[in-house]
Amino acid sequence: GNSVTQMEGPVTLSEEAFLTINCTYTATGYPSLFWYVQYPGEGLQLLLKATKADDKGSNKGFEATYRKETTSFHLEKGSVQVSDSAVYFCALSERNTPLVFGKGTRLSVIA
Amino acid sequence: DTGVSQNPRHKITKRGQNVTFRCDPISEHNRLYWYRQTLGQGPEFLTYFQNEAQLEKSRLLSDRFSAERPKGSFSTLEIQRTEQGDSAMYLCASSLAQWAEQYFGPGTRLTVT
Repeated sequence: GNSVTQMEGPVTLSEEAFLTINCTYTATGYPSLFWYVQYPGEGLQLLLKATKADDKGSNKGFEATYRKETTSFHLEKGSVQVSDSAVYFCALSERNTPLVFGKGTRLSVIA
Repeated sequence: DTGVSQNPRHKITKRGQNVTFRCDPISEHNRLYWYRQTLGQGPEFLTYFQNEAQLEKSRLLSDRFSAERPKGSFSTLEIQRTEQGDSAMYLCASSLAQWAEQYFGPGTRLTVT
């Protein structure tokens, strides 16, 4: 079946550091890929998405590129802020079916 | 657009009791999904509806769980004879059928004592 593997956290960075959270997937077809973010005490929010190979999703300074050859969708941000502290989930969906999530990566950014 | 809403936000119940949760999706969305999230894990799919039809149920959804979406708008998730292992955050999401992305509510946190 389909699955998502993301790097284990927690990840602790200083403000303005570069962020990478790795995500790889296994799918039988060509899924759409997503990053969701969960801030403390809040629900999941869609951060960005990509629907086909080589697409780049971007939002709020975060980026991720759909790499079919390496089955990856790594999340990056050039300069993190304290307000980026949250749990980040990588997810996939094939043909608009229910999402399959990774386990999440907790990011803590310290001033 | 008020977003997806869920009620109650928190529920504490004793083992063996029945509980029911409600989800109100974004009004124009025809798909509604239920997920369960335990501590330190990503959400896991339980079931979903397109309009009032329940299209799929996960093997995680035991016979004690039932979900309905009677008029294709709000949905309810009922757990009968709750067990301590049912303690989790229950998440609802909605979308349009032609979209892959889903929009989540704040969740209902269930604690079974």
